[in-house]
Amino acid sequence: EAGVVQSPRYKIIEKKQPVAFWCNPISGHNTLYWYRQNLGQGPELLIRYENEEAVDDSQLPKDRFSAERLKGVDSTLKIQPAELGDSAVYLCASSSHTAEAFFGQGTRLTVV
Amino acid sequence: AQTVTQSQPEMSVQEAETVTLSCTYDTSESDYYLFWYKQPPSRQMILVIRQEAYKQQNATENRFSVNFQKAAKSFSLKISDSQLGDAAMYFCARTSGSRLTFGEGTQLTVNP
Repeated sequence: EAGVVQSPRYKIIEKKQPVAFWCNPISGHNTLYWYRQNLGQGPELLIRYENEEAVDDSQLPKDRFSAERLKGVDSTLKIQPAELGDSAVYLCASSSHTAEAFFGQGTRLTVV
Repeated sequence: AQTVTQSQPEMSVQEAETVTLSCTYDTSESDYYLFWYKQPPSRQMILVIRQEAYKQQNATENRFSVNFQKAAKSFSLKISDSQLGDAAMYFCARTSGSRLTFGEGTQLTVNP
C-alpha cells in the first residue's frame, strides 16, 4: 500500500514569492491534515479536511495561506506571499476511522 | 489550550539498555487516543504505538511499551533493548476530537 506522498521535498524561494505544496493521501482515507513543523518543535495543525470540507482551519493564517482538496483526494497548500517566518517543514497526513494519522515525508521550505 | 508536555528535550541510552520517555497531557475528554511517533532525520513521522484511553491495559509493540496512567494524565514510552536505529526525535500526541496535538518532542540518542 502506498503511503502519503508529498512534493516537492525541498523548496527554496525568495520572500514575497508564492509557493505551493502537494499531497496525495493514502487511498480511502477521508481525513487529510496539513501540519507545520518549526525546527526543534512538534507539528502544529494548519488545516484538517473531512473529504472535501475544511472542518478545522482555525490555525491557518488566512491572509496568506490557502488550501484546497478537490474531489476529496489530493490537496494543495499555498502560501502567497511567503515571509521569512514561513520557513519550516510542512507535513501532510491522512487517516481513516482508526484515529492514527499517517504522515508523508514533508516539504522543507526555506524562504530567503 | 489543551496541551501535551514532554519534559525531557533530550535523552540518551546505551545500546541494549532500557529508556523511558515521559509525556503528560491535558484533556477534558473521557475518550481519546494517545500516540507515540518517531521522527528520524528523514523527517517522516512514523507511528510507534497507540493507546485508547478507554482501555486500561497498557499497549505493547515488540520492544516498545507504554505506561498509561489515565487519572494522572501520563503516558510514558519504554524502549527495551535499545538499538542504534531507535535514535530519533520522539513525539507524544493526543487526539481531541479528530485533531491531533503534539508535544515538543524528545531527542533520543543511542550510544554504541
